Amino acid sequence: SQKIEQNSEALNIQEGKTATLTCNYTNYSPAYLQWYRQDPGRGPVFLLLIRENEKEKRKERLKVTFDTTLKQSLFHITASQPADSATYLCALDIGNFNKFYFGSGTKLNVKP
Amino acid sequence: DADVTQTPRNRITKTGKRIMLECSQTKGHDRMYWYRQDPGLGLQLIYYSFDVKDINKGEISDGYSVSRQAQAKFSLSLESAIPNQTALYFCATSGGVGGGELFFGEGSRLTVL
Repeated sequence: SQKIEQNSEALNIQEGKTATLTCNYTNYSPAYLQWYRQDPGRGPVFLLLIRENEKEKRKERLKVTFDTTLKQSLFHITASQPADSATYLCALDIGNFNKFYFGSGTKLNVKP
Repeated sequence: DADVTQTPRNRITKTGKRIMLECSQTKGHDRMYWYRQDPGLGLQLIYYSFDVKDINKGEISDGYSVSRQAQAKFSLSLESAIPNQTALYFCATSGGVGGGELFFGEGSRLTVL
């Protein structure tokens, strides 16, 4: 069966450190992978997109890597801040159909 | 004003009642989606529509129906609500192919007693 896995345990880190979140998938060949941020009771907000032929993408303090051999994406937040505390979701677009499947998300807690 | 508006934001209803959740968008996008979110389960795709005449089932469409009344409007109905449909429902839009980002509404929290 198709599956997208994100660490269900919360990630607790100290302010200023780099947070690294993982998204693993099986039985997919996604054309695109996206990362979203979700705050409690709010809709997810798009952060970054990476294509299957891209290894790495950066946006300000954010960096995403995409390894189609390992079927894994890593999401990094450098110089983390308490305001970065939220749940982060990965989403896969299978076959470029604009049909998105989501992981369950990882909650990030950044402590001052 | 929000790009994607959902109504109602909160609704409590009883088992067997018919419920409609409405979504409207001002992004001018053709593609619209309904997702359901349960704690620890992430977002599950219920239905999606790529234009007014195109409606497709997602992963968990049983017990739900949709209507695309116009490019800007996409409603989700529960014909006979049951308690395990208690969840947070999100509407989203997307601008097109190429992995276009999803724009989400603020969600509709539904409780079925």
